[in-house]
Formats: sequence, structure tokens, C-alpha cells
Amino acid sequence: DAEITQSPRHKITETGRQVTLACHQTWNHNNMFWYRQDLGHGLRLIHYSYGVQDTNKGEVSDGYSVSRSNTEDLPLTLESAASSQTSVYFCASSDGTSATGELFFGEGSRLTVL
Amino acid sequence: EDKVVQSPLSLVVHEGDTVTLNCSYEVTNFRSLLWYKQEKKAPTFLFMLTSSGIEKKSGRLSSILDKKELFSILNITATQTGDSAVYLCAVVTYKYIFGTGTRLKVLA
Repeated sequence: DAEITQSPRHKITETGRQVTLACHQTWNHNNMFWYRQDLGHGLRLIHYSYGVQDTNKGEVSDGYSVSRSNTEDLPLTLESAASSQTSVYFCASSDGTSATGELFFGEGSRLTVL
Repeated sequence: EDKVVQSPLSLVVHEGDTVTLNCSYEVTNFRSLLWYKQEKKAPTFLFMLTSSGIEKKSGRLSSILDKKELFSILNITATQTGDSAVYLCAVVTYKYIFGTGTRLKVLA
């Protein structure tokens, strides 16, 4: 079955370290998204991509970067982790041209920055 | 700035009650509206609404969209403890914009 997987599922790191969260989907979807979820804020968009070599900033992109070198993967990098980046991160994907139909989610990655 | 607002923020009911969750929006380039249920992990898809006035239904859950008044409602009838979750609304423009969610707790 096609799916979307995130790794690691849980990570604890220290302030200032670089962290990369992986996202891999096997649906061959063009569109991939990274969200963070915090109490009281719902899901906030960090970065998104509509295809290979395409990346765009979302509403909370400061301190994060992404790259899209193939259809299946959109890794999220925290260049220098901060305590404010402690959160649950969800990767998601959808089919079609830009945002259209159902958004499929990975299981989430819980990141703690000490 | 695009905005999606859900109400109420939280709700506690007893089994058997009917609940109505609200999602209002102000966006440019509206394409569709999605409802998700989130328990302890990833959100799971419930409905996609694109046309005004057409009800989507699945078992005890139903949803309708009003594109003139810019809102959608999600109804759950005869609630069960398994309906306890956060319900998320997302409006699709050229990206997916989520509201903060409504936390529903159903007491036995």
C-alpha cells in the first residue's frame, strides 16, 4: 500500500544543533507539505513543494529549510534548533496540480529541543 | 491574509447528544474545504466539500458548505465516546490552511 512515512518519530536534541526530519511518500504525489502542531495554534504551514526543485515558504518558515530533489522525499532541516521549535511535525502530501484534493498525513515526528 | 476560524474551541457532551462544529473562513481563491478527525496521532480525512448546499454524509457524521456566508458545519448525531477527538477544518486555496480545531470530549 502507498504511504507516507516520517523519521525519526521521536527526537531529543540540544539548542544549536542541526536536525533533519525525513519524509518519504510512495504515492507519487506532486505536492508535499510540512506543518508543525502546537497547543492553541492548530497546524501551521512551514514549507511546501509542488514538485521537484520547487519549494515555498509557509507562514512559520523562519529557522527551517527544505529541499526537493525527487518526487518521494521532502526533508525538513532545522539549521540551529531552538527551544521554540519543540513541537510535533507532520508531513503531508496531495495529488494534482498545487493544492487540490485530500491531504494525506504521515504519523508525525515529536521533536524536543533542550 | 487568509483566515480559518473554528468554534467552539472545545466542547464536552454526553453520549447520545448531537453536536455541531463550525468553520468560518476568509480566503482568496477558495477551492474546497476539508474536515479531519485527529485522535492521538495523524489527522484522518472525513469530508471534502466543494459545492455550496450539498450535504456530505457518512454514518452519523454530516457536513455542509455555505459559500455565500463562508462557513461550513460538521454535525455528529448520537455521539459516542469514540467520537472524542480534535476536529480540524482546512480550506484549500493554492495551499491548505487549517483552523485551530475543536476539541470534542464525549462522556459515557
